[in-house]
Amino acid sequence: EAQVTQNPRYLITVTGKKLTVTCSQNMNHEYMSWYRQDPGLGLRQIYYSMNVEVTDKGDVPEGYKVSRKEKRNFPLILESPSPNQTSLYFCASRGDNEQFFGPGTRLTVL
Amino acid sequence: KQEVTQIPAALSVPEGENLVLNCSFTDSAIYNLQWFRQDPGKGLTSLLLIQSSQREQTSGRLNASLDKSSGRSTLYIAASQPGDSATYLCAVRRDLSGGYNKLIFGAGTRLAVHP
Repeated sequence: EAQVTQNPRYLITVTGKKLTVTCSQNMNHEYMSWYRQDPGLGLRQIYYSMNVEVTDKGDVPEGYKVSRKEKRNFPLILESPSPNQTSLYFCASRGDNEQFFGPGTRLTVL
Repeated sequence: KQEVTQIPAALSVPEGENLVLNCSFTDSAIYNLQWFRQDPGKGLTSLLLIQSSQREQTSGRLNASLDKSSGRSTLYIAASQPGDSATYLCAVRRDLSGGYNKLIFGAGTRLAVHP
């Protein structure tokens, strides 16, 4: 089954404690991206990747890092999380046209 | 700068009604437009994708139209059911000359279908 998976699905952490949210897709897509969703602000793109070792900033990249060492994986790294990064995060991958989203990771930073 | 607006923000209808959700965008230079469904606390499920050269797409009880020149798309849901209750999101993908890689989302329409 074609899918995008994310882990963990839920995470509660404290300010400053480094964390990584993993993302994996099994569709051999070159393009992957990360979004955050906040009430009243909708979905905003954090980072995207056109292919292995090619990444670029989206609209709200501050406080986040990404890497793309393999085609299927695109982890999101928060080196020093802060409370304003409490949000619902989605990973997505895209083939020629259609974009597929993961199930989301709900992150709370205390 | 592309902006996507969805009206209404929320809608409550009795079961069986036909309904229309609206999406408008400010820049007609789009590559395609995609409608998604999101259930509370869940991910996004793609419903329909319309290429810029197309006028409409249909899937079951859903029909999406696109009028690129006027910057509008509608999602028509026929014979609504309680299981259709969700938030519906519209997203446009810009064309090759203007930020090719980003999907720009509207804020969504929250639909409640009551028995």
